[in-house]
Amino acid sequence: AQKVTQAQTEISVVEKEDVTLDCVYETRDTTYYLFWYKQPPSGELVFLIRRNSFDEQNEISGRYSWNFQKSTSSFNFTITASQVVDSAVYFCALSERVGNEKLTFGTGTRLTIIP
Amino acid sequence: DAGVTQSPTHLIKTRGQQVTLRCSPISGHKSVSWYQQVLGQGPQFIFQYYEKEERGRGNFPDRFSARQFPNYSSELNVNALLLGDSALYLCASSLISTGSNQPQHFGDGTRLSIL
Repeated sequence: AQKVTQAQTEISVVEKEDVTLDCVYETRDTTYYLFWYKQPPSGELVFLIRRNSFDEQNEISGRYSWNFQKSTSSFNFTITASQVVDSAVYFCALSERVGNEKLTFGTGTRLTIIP
Repeated sequence: DAGVTQSPTHLIKTRGQQVTLRCSPISGHKSVSWYQQVLGQGPQFIFQYYEKEERGRGNFPDRFSARQFPNYSSELNVNALLLGDSALYLCASSLISTGSNQPQHFGDGTRLSIL
């Protein structure tokens, strides 16, 4: 069975600080995909990144970066120089097997950026 | 291009009633998935449809059903509503490609309240 754990329920940081959101996953499959989504107060889930299990390269996109480590089954997300607009709930999600699009989500981390 | 659209935005029903939620995917997307998000939790997978056929079903009772139309839009039906069905219902669409799981793009959701 697949499982995603986001142990940090809520995080608050002062604007311009860096913050890392943790994600740990469990799966028996060798082929799987990991995702991060952002859910602002409006409710819509906004796709941020997809990573497949064969690509352990870290990725940077502007102020966002992702650290994928299969050895520890983790896929952590870092926001550099945080801004108030980053305030949202962030979800990590996992899907197994190509063609099976079921996403298993973690419980989310509520991030609050204090001006 | 229009994103995933869902209707209605909000809905109030009473216990025992039936409800139909609607979703139009992004143009060109042939896969539609439904998720239930209870307040404070991550979304839970309900169904996935592709080319009008059910591809996946989550751990939900038979009171939940769905279908997909030739234009790839979809409906989610819930019968005999219970108080516990109160939630945000999210629809997501994606491209289906061989060899990889494409990101799912979500609509704004339908907030269903059961009195």
